[in-house]
Amino acid sequence: SSELTQPPSVSVSPGQTARITCSGDALPKQYGYWYQQKPGQAPVLVMYKDTERPSGIPERFSGSSSGTTLTLTIDGVQAEDEADYYCQSAGSRVNWVFGGGTRLTVV
Amino acid sequence: EVQLLESGGGLVQPEGSLRLSCEASGFTLNSHAMSWVRQAPGQGLEWVSAISVSGEVTYYADSVKGRFTISRDISKNTVYLQMNSLSAGDTAVYFCAKEVATGGYFDYWGQGTLVTVSS
Repeated sequence: SSELTQPPSVSVSPGQTARITCSGDALPKQYGYWYQQKPGQAPVLVMYKDTERPSGIPERFSGSSSGTTLTLTIDGVQAEDEADYYCQSAGSRVNWVFGGGTRLTVV
Repeated sequence: EVQLLESGGGLVQPEGSLRLSCEASGFTLNSHAMSWVRQAPGQGLEWVSAISVSGEVTYYADSVKGRFTISRDISKNTVYLQMNSLSAGDTAVYFCAKEVATGGYFDYWGQGTLVTVSS
């Protein structure tokens, strides 16, 4: 089983705020990262070191961390944000571990 | 511009072998660690293997340890994944991914190559 736990799905209406969580016991000691993956495409980094946004990622994406929970927030969700989102951190038995993924549906 | 181009995927029978390649451009392999990450059909991402910046240290997920071997050729700026004793559970799209210089996460990914293990 994954060391990082994500909800399987999140649904929001366009313009609303989406929050995707990632829980893991090691997160208080390790940075977390987020990737967006659209169907048939490679993952794209959207957040690093919990709260840092890579260049080219819209400002509506933000990240936070509190205790054992990492959160990716998308303010003013747009249809183009519909995708699978994966958190990632360092693993205890493997180098890197990914959460199971959360499908964001914009309805 | 950084680019990663995987190749070598295909259909292979159970217990067979396959070698994947990841040709990198826009940076040199001796300045970044590299990983292979796979994604089974309809499933999530699974880290598989990594090779250190020096190329001297390699790492593997338990699920592939003893069967897969990661290596690189600096002269070709290419990373390889030799996969032996394949089973249906290894069926997946295999992505190569570049770690940032400070390590910890992946800033560039290839488009992936599909490996199907079936008789």
